[in-house]
Amino acid sequence: GNSVTQMEGPVTLSEEAFLTINCTYTATGYPSLFWYVQYPGEGLQLLLKATKADDKGSNKGFEATYRKETTSFHLEKGSVQVSDSAVYFCALSSGSARQLTFGSGTQLTVLP
Amino acid sequence: GAVVSQHPSRVICKSGTSVKIECRSLDFQATTMFWYRQFPKQSLMLMATSNEGSKATYEQGVEKDKFLINHASLTLSTLTVTSAHPEDSSFYICSARQEVRTEAFFGQGTRLTVV
Repeated sequence: GNSVTQMEGPVTLSEEAFLTINCTYTATGYPSLFWYVQYPGEGLQLLLKATKADDKGSNKGFEATYRKETTSFHLEKGSVQVSDSAVYFCALSSGSARQLTFGSGTQLTVLP
Repeated sequence: GAVVSQHPSRVICKSGTSVKIECRSLDFQATTMFWYRQFPKQSLMLMATSNEGSKATYEQGVEKDKFLINHASLTLSTLTVTSAHPEDSSFYICSARQEVRTEAFFGQGTRLTVV
């Protein structure tokens, strides 16, 4: 079956630090990969996506590259801000219904 | 962008009563909607998948008679928690997907507290 393994949190960084959150996956076929962000008390917002190998998703300074050879989709940002504090979920979808399989989530706290 | 509206955002109900949560896709037709449950500091657990006009497909271990899902139109799905008990207290999130798009869009979530 499909699975997503995500870097354990919590992660605490100072403002303007470099961020990496690791994500690896196991899937049959050719999944699409996503990063979602969840702010306290809210639902999930799509941050970025990649639908095929070597695609790079990017949004709001965040980037992730679909690496088929390493089955990874690591999230990076060169300079984090306090407003980036949230929980980040790596996810994949595949199959006819395209159900999402989520990683465990990584809590990020950015300190001023 | 695609907007999914979930209502109510918070609800408190008495044990034994039923609660209905609505999930609407505001600017697109959602061929598939998903219902998740999230426990504090944990990931999302898929409860069921529903397609418009057909019965929902429930994940293993989810009681279909307790969590009634209706997807009567391409823009509305409802989750009814029947005979709610305190252990049903949780954060429920819906998502909706359009046939031609790879990503799903999420509602704001509903915090259910059963007292």
